Amino acid sequence: AQTVTQSQPEMSVQEAETVTLSCTYDTSESDYYLFWYKQPPSRQMILVIRQEAYKQQNATENRFSVNFQKAAKSFSLKISDSQLGDAAMYFCAYRNYGGSQGNLIFGKGTKLSVKP
Amino acid sequence: DGGITQSPKYLFRKEGQNVTLSCEQNLNHDAMYWYRQDPGQGLRLIYYSQIVNDFQKGDIAEGYSVSREKKESFPLTVTSAQKNPTAFYLCASSIGGRAGHEQYFGPGTRLTVT
Repeated sequence: AQTVTQSQPEMSVQEAETVTLSCTYDTSESDYYLFWYKQPPSRQMILVIRQEAYKQQNATENRFSVNFQKAAKSFSLKISDSQLGDAAMYFCAYRNYGGSQGNLIFGKGTKLSVKP
Repeated sequence: DGGITQSPKYLFRKEGQNVTLSCEQNLNHDAMYWYRQDPGQGLRLIYYSQIVNDFQKGDIAEGYSVSREKKESFPLTVTSAQKNPTAFYLCASSIGGRAGHEQYFGPGTRLTVT
């Protein structure tokens, strides 16, 4: 079974600085998707960024980028120029490309605080 | 505005009672999902439906039931058989059931059973 591990329960960053959140996963599949979701205090989950495993190029979305290392099964999220609104829980998630209808498997999350 | 609504935001029930959580979407999405979130945990899939009148069990379906009679609606019933029903419940939908389709989430319902 696939698993997702986020080893940092909490992280803190100064406003305007850069922070990296870690995620590792375990799978025997070769085709899959990886996601980072943000859950602010409102608790509504918001997709931040998505990576397809067959693409070597790291995904980027404005201030958010990933470092995808397929062989190491690592998928870290880098937030540049951190803003107060970035404070939230961040969840890493995995989904098989096909197979069992592609359940999303989540890590336990990292709570990010942004200091003014 | 298109989106997903869940009601109510907070729900309280006595132990032994069944309770139904509402989830409605006006995004014209085919697929819908129910997740459970416990403190310090990620989300876990309860049930999902890729099309009307069809649904599949997720990882933690025991003690829950669903129906999908309309495309827009995917209610979740928490039965008295669910041993630890107190949790935060999130509904999501996606345009289809493919792995790459983004799942859009509702605001969630906090269920407390005493």
